[in-house]
Amino acid sequence: EAQVTQNPRYLITVTGKKLTVTCSQNMNHEYMSWYRQDPGLGLRQIYYSMNVEVTDKGDVPEGYKVSRKEKRNFPLILESPSPNQTSLYFCASSLYGVNTDTQYFGPGTRLTVL
Amino acid sequence: QQQVKQSPQSLIVQKGGIPIINCAYENTAFDYFPWYQQFPGKGPALLIAIRPDVSEKKEGRFTISFNKSAKQFSLHIMDSQPGDSATYFCAASMGYSTLTFGKGTMLLVSP
Repeated sequence: EAQVTQNPRYLITVTGKKLTVTCSQNMNHEYMSWYRQDPGLGLRQIYYSMNVEVTDKGDVPEGYKVSRKEKRNFPLILESPSPNQTSLYFCASSLYGVNTDTQYFGPGTRLTVL
Repeated sequence: QQQVKQSPQSLIVQKGGIPIINCAYENTAFDYFPWYQQFPGKGPALLIAIRPDVSEKKEGRFTISFNKSAKQFSLHIMDSQPGDSATYFCAASMGYSTLTFGKGTMLLVSP
């Protein structure tokens, strides 16, 4: 089944404790992206990757890191999480980009930073 | 700076009604306008999309109307059903890489 998977689905952590949210897709997509969703703010793009080893900032990259060492994986790293990073996070992928073909979203990771 | 303004925030219609969700944008460089549907506990899913050289696009019961001069676009859901109850997001992009979303509209279709 073609899908985007994220792990963990739920995470409660404390301020300053490094964490990684994994994202994997099995559709051989070139493009991957991370978004955060907050009530009343919609979805905001954090980082995106057009291909392996190519990543760039979205609208809200502060406090986040990403890497793209393999085509299928695009982990999101919070090196020192803070309470304002409490949010619902979505990974997404598409064949070449956001405006050429369907972007598929993962099921989401709900993160709480205490 | 919000580049895509979406209204209303929430909407309640009766089954069979035609909910309309509106979006306005500022950046004339945007060249792709998708709508996403999100059910509780799920990720957004692409519903329908339009490019600025087309004024209307229909897919099943969903229609996008696009007004380039007014920099506005809207989603109409014909013969709405309770199963259409979800949050709807408009979005806009320029180029391949970035997507800017509206804040979302929570739609409830009552039986």
